[in-house]
Amino acid sequence: QQQVKQSPQSLIVQKGGIPIINCAYENTAFDYFPWYQQFPGKGPALLIAIRPDVSEKKEGRFTISFNKSAKQFSLHIMDSQPGDSATYFCAARVTSGSRLTFGEGTQLTVNP
Amino acid sequence: NAGVTQTPKFQVLKTGQSMTLQCAQDMNHEYMSWYRQDPGMGLRLIHYSVGAGITDQGEVPNGYNVSRSTTEDFPLRLLSAAPSQTSVYFCASSPYLDSGANVLTFGAGSRLTVL
Repeated sequence: QQQVKQSPQSLIVQKGGIPIINCAYENTAFDYFPWYQQFPGKGPALLIAIRPDVSEKKEGRFTISFNKSAKQFSLHIMDSQPGDSATYFCAARVTSGSRLTFGEGTQLTVNP
Repeated sequence: NAGVTQTPKFQVLKTGQSMTLQCAQDMNHEYMSWYRQDPGMGLRLIHYSVGAGITDQGEVPNGYNVSRSTTEDFPLRLLSAAPSQTSVYFCASSPYLDSGANVLTFGAGSRLTVL
């Protein structure tokens, strides 16, 4: 079963728009929630991450919002650019160890 | 500093053939793992290792074997390839930090087609 559910599967926005990608989880032992960005033909790379003791984290144009009670977290991309077009994966890690569980991925297209 | 190197980048196999996907990292990372990426299913963990001589199964281990004889290398073996194993395979590594943040460094991927 998928422990981290991600939506939508694909998303198209215009340049300057604010795409939002959502993830939900069930396992309350998760304590670290990263987002990975993948460009075509490349491996995923860490974009931004959050821990459940904060409700929001910003890095440049990328923001994670975290709702611990709802067991949901989301990625917002401010002033999106065509160069942001990529596949985005949310993930979660159990309390101990390095094992990450990934969501299904969202293919984002930002049109000029 | 090469990071995580995967070979080959592309491979076509016939059903029943065996092969090994190679993965090497030069960052002295303790943790190494193999994922497969399929459309609509995200990245699914196949096998992982927390150090030389230690391996464990992930979500989808059937049909695959791994070994970890050195810190640097973590090969993935397909014992008898099946069309269902057609996928893009990623090797990833990180320092093994029990309490800290884990930043997985991924290789560029190996695209496998099984006919």
